Amino acid sequence: QVQLVESGGGLVKPGGSLRLSCAASGFTFSDYYMSWIRQAPGKGLEWVSYISSSDSTIYYADSVKGRFTISRDNAKNSLYLQMNSLRAEDTAVYYCARDRSYCSSSSCYTEFDSWGQGTLVTVSS
Amino acid sequence: QSVLTQPPSVSAAPGQKVTISCSGSSSNIGNNYVSWYQQLPGTAPKLLIYDNNKRPSGIPDRFSGSKSGTSATLGITGLQTGDEADYYCGTWDSSLSGGRVFGGGTKLTVL
Repeated sequence: QVQLVESGGGLVKPGGSLRLSCAASGFTFSDYYMSWIRQAPGKGLEWVSYISSSDSTIYYADSVKGRFTISRDNAKNSLYLQMNSLRAEDTAVYYCARDRSYCSSSSCYTEFDSWGQGTLVTVSS
Repeated sequence: QSVLTQPPSVSAAPGQKVTISCSGSSSNIGNNYVSWYQQLPGTAPKLLIYDNNKRPSGIPDRFSGSKSGTSATLGITGLQTGDEADYYCGTWDSSLSGGRVFGGGTKLTVL
């Protein structure tokens, strides 16, 4: 069955860096788009970043653009999120999710069909 | 503030039916498809509905989705205490880079 396992979260000071990893199994990782989605404590879901199956297309939410970098290693079935210049407002549980979104000529479909258990990132001095 | 508006909370008794709304605009729900996610306490979200009204394998038919204009609705019939969770709508917003957006979430309480 599909399994996504995040790691790398922890406590970091403002301005610091952290690298999250997501290990995928149970499916052909190289065939799927992937996204990172976060959830601040007691808040809703916020999409963070997307990467296509061959990493040719990457998008970021405006809130993290220029500070976060998404990448993947299809040979290792792994997804990554390098987070630099961290701020208190980046404190959240970070989920990796299999992203089946796509756009036809007329409409777009958004669908995250599998999620990891999440890893907590706390930015505090 | 999310571009998709959901009521913060809804409640109903066991066995009853409840609906959760998700309101948007022409740049998102009006021209794109909607998905819904269930997040049980302390767990990761789970896909409940995709393509406005389709259910993934394993999701009971007590859960349904619909869309009209710039709004979408999640319906749950035969409420069970185990349905108590946060529910999120999601869609694509053509005005945003990357496109992917979620509603603010709705807390369902089964009284």
